[in-house]
Amino acid sequence: NAGVTQTPKFRILKIGQSMTLQCAQDMNHNYMYWYRQDPGMGLKLIYYSVGAGITDKGEVPNGYNVSRSTTEDFPLRLELAAPSQTSVYFCASSSLTGGGGYTFGSGTRLTVV
Amino acid sequence: AQSVSQHNHHVILSEAASLELGCNYSYGGTVNLFWYVQYPGQHLQLLLKYFSGDPLVKGIKGFEAEFIKSKFSFNLRKPSVQWSDTAEYFCAVNPNQAGTALIFGKGTTLSVSS
Repeated sequence: NAGVTQTPKFRILKIGQSMTLQCAQDMNHNYMYWYRQDPGMGLKLIYYSVGAGITDKGEVPNGYNVSRSTTEDFPLRLELAAPSQTSVYFCASSSLTGGGGYTFGSGTRLTVV
Repeated sequence: AQSVSQHNHHVILSEAASLELGCNYSYGGTVNLFWYVQYPGQHLQLLLKYFSGDPLVKGIKGFEAEFIKSKFSFNLRKPSVQWSDTAEYFCAVNPNQAGTALIFGKGTTLSVSS
């Protein structure tokens, strides 16, 4: 029962580098989400997807890109890392538009130096 | 814009004390409401949820929450906290519209001393 799997768990990037945060779910959920969590700020929605081939921006999309080629995978791409992207990133999925609650991954702690 | 307010940033309690964490939201239509808990170093886990029906909902680990529509509130309660309840608690709202995602509050850190 894997649920939502995120990799890597930790990563240190230099300014200007790029990377992809991986997210995969095995629950056949249509909806997937990327949030970032900063101390005292709660969770901010970066991007979300309502199904394969369909993505949309959330509250804080700048500096990020996503794709959803399959139901299972929803990778988040950082093209030119900046210190402001230092955060903990959570991927989540749900079977409805949040109506059933989310299943969260274990998170990726990213530091940009 | 829709928002969720959690009024307590940090709550400190002794074991066996009662807990109430406030949550208010700013959406006037039908909503689904959630409380999530994040234990230190872990991901968010669902505590309880409200969709419709009885406004008093019971969740895991002895937590409950009451939906008061007239006050746009969904406060979390527990009669007697334990040291293991030390965690961060997030209230979240789904405005029940197709294509929308959960909106989270900023969280309340609960510290319970033994």
